[in-house]
Amino acid sequence: LAKTTQPISMDSYEGQEVNITCSHNNIATNDYITWYQQFPSQGPRFIIQGYKTKVTNEVASLFIPADRKSSTLSLPRVSLSDTAVYYCLVGDMPWDGGSQGNLIFGKGTKLSVKP
Amino acid sequence: DAGVIQSPRHEVTEMGQEVTLRCKPISGHNSLFWYRQTMMRGLELLIYFNNNVPIDDSGMPEDRFSAKMPNASFSTLKIQPSEPRDSAVYFCASSLGIGITTFQETQYFGPGTRLLVL
Repeated sequence: LAKTTQPISMDSYEGQEVNITCSHNNIATNDYITWYQQFPSQGPRFIIQGYKTKVTNEVASLFIPADRKSSTLSLPRVSLSDTAVYYCLVGDMPWDGGSQGNLIFGKGTKLSVKP
Repeated sequence: DAGVIQSPRHEVTEMGQEVTLRCKPISGHNSLFWYRQTMMRGLELLIYFNNNVPIDDSGMPEDRFSAKMPNASFSTLKIQPSEPRDSAVYFCASSLGIGITTFQETQYFGPGTRLLVL
């Protein structure tokens, strides 16, 4: 998987839009960008996945510039319940775990939403 | 080490049948994970174990899914009864991480089981 870099932590207030950027300078042609959300004592949950331009679903948007060396997860109007760790992963999808062998979520970005 | 071993590699079954997927983690690893991958939902975590104890199974889609880890070298994921929408690739992974480091350590994946429910 391509190495990713994202901020360790971010703070926000309820109702604000939050943008978390991930750098992945060594992204390969076949790589997709996937974001996960993790609450304490739970495993990561899939949020959104994209390859290029913009992807939007019911919970978030993902912006990917033309060079694909970074991506931005956008959470509209966050609430207290959005306080979690957010992980950016870059890899070949559909992911063939056997040939690529391993996955690491890393430390992610800890988002704290305040009232 | 042979890495994470999964069986079967492919499974084709009919709706309503019971399906059992098997996993042997890497020896010495403390955590075991079951994932499901589909084109629509990407790679989803179903359940994970620390030292054979299930820690979080909130990713298990329905009561039809169950997972066990009777010892450090074996785990099963069972679907009963199976439905066509369960068709996916199911991965098992293991890692040295445990507790707060569970998702900070590298997870080593098996080759996956490609399940098709007709």
